This record gives sequence, C-alpha cells and structure tokens, in this order.
Amino acid sequence: GQQVMQIPQYQHVQEGEDFTTYCNSSTTLSNIQWYKQRPGGHPVFLIQLVKSGEVKKQKRLTFQFGEAKKNSSLHITATQTTDVGTYFCAGGAGTASKLTFGTGTRLQVTL
Amino acid sequence: DAEITQSPRHKITETGRQVTLACHQTWNHNNMFWYRQDLGHGLRLIHYSYGVQDTNKGEVSDGYSVSRSNTEDLPLTLESAASSQTSVYFCASSESTLGLQYFGAGTRLSVL
Repeated sequence: GQQVMQIPQYQHVQEGEDFTTYCNSSTTLSNIQWYKQRPGGHPVFLIQLVKSGEVKKQKRLTFQFGEAKKNSSLHITATQTTDVGTYFCAGGAGTASKLTFGTGTRLQVTL
Repeated sequence: DAEITQSPRHKITETGRQVTLACHQTWNHNNMFWYRQDLGHGLRLIHYSYGVQDTNKGEVSDGYSVSRSNTEDLPLTLESAASSQTSVYFCASSESTLGLQYFGAGTRLSVL
C-alpha cells in the first residue's frame, strides 16, 4: 500500500534558525496536504498543493510539491516559539481514494 | 459555526470491556475517519466512511468497528479493549475523499 515517510522525526532549533521537513511518498500523488498539531492539540490543516513543482507561501512558511509529485517539503524561515508542534504531510492518490498521513516531524524551538 | 466533537475527552477502562467513542460533526460531510496516534507512528487510519451505511477498514482495524446510521455520527467501538489500544483517538471529516480534513479534539483512552 501507499507509504508516506517524513524526515526528520524530530528537530530542535534555536529561535531564529530555519527549519525544513521533507515528505516522501512511495507512489505518485494527486495532492499533498500539510497539517500542524500543537502539543496537546489536534491536527489543523495548513495548505494543499496539487500541481507538479508548485510552491506556496504562508508568511514564514514555504511549501513545495516535487516535480514528480512524489515528494514535498515545508520550510520555516526564522522559527519562533509559536512554531512548536508536529508537522504532518498527507498524500492523496487517486486509486487509494483516501489520504495517507506521514509519520510527522516534531519541532522544538528554544530561546 | 460547524464543528466536530468527540466524547469523552478522556476514558479509563479495563481490559476486556467494550468501549464506544463518539464522534459528531455538523459540517454535513459525507466522509468521516477515525485515527489513532501513538508516539513514533503518526496518525494511523482505523476505519473510514464515505456516507451513510458505508464503512471501510483502514490499516489498523483489528479489534475496532464502526457503524454509520446517519451523516453526523461515526461511533468507534472497541469490542474487547486491550492494553495495546491505549492511545489518543482522533475523528475527522472532510467534504471530499481527498479534501482537507477537520479533526476533533481527540479522546485519550487508557486500557488498564
């Protein structure tokens, strides 16, 4: 079945440093979504990418979808303590007809 | 405002007991999902439904069942709770099968 892996599993940065998490799928995706889960909270949708090579920005967050539509990345510029949480990607493939969530990357930001 | 609610938020039960976790959404979404979240495993799909009377098994469905008698509710039942089912359970709904999912606040279940 479809597998979606994320690296790294965990990253600890100092406030102001950049952060990137990578998402890789075993199959070609029709779309990729990113979610953020704050500690003790529930996943909250951030963004969806559907086109090959697509790049979207939300303030300090930059999301990319790979040319082959099998990988994606989330880059945070100048992290803040409010960025703390676990970031999940979720990929959809037409034949699977449902999203498959990645394993998540937990981000810790310290002053 | 539309929302998705889970109850109870916390539950402690004993091995072998039947437990039902409730999920209710007012989005009028056809698609509903149950996940469990354990450290190191991310979100794993238990069961999902694409409409009334439709249910499907996810990747970790053993020991769990669901039923969909109306659009708003998808209760998750643990037939005979086991310690391995101690976890945080999230319910979610979406407008389309590959669309963005709205998650409930979660239920923390401990099986002793």
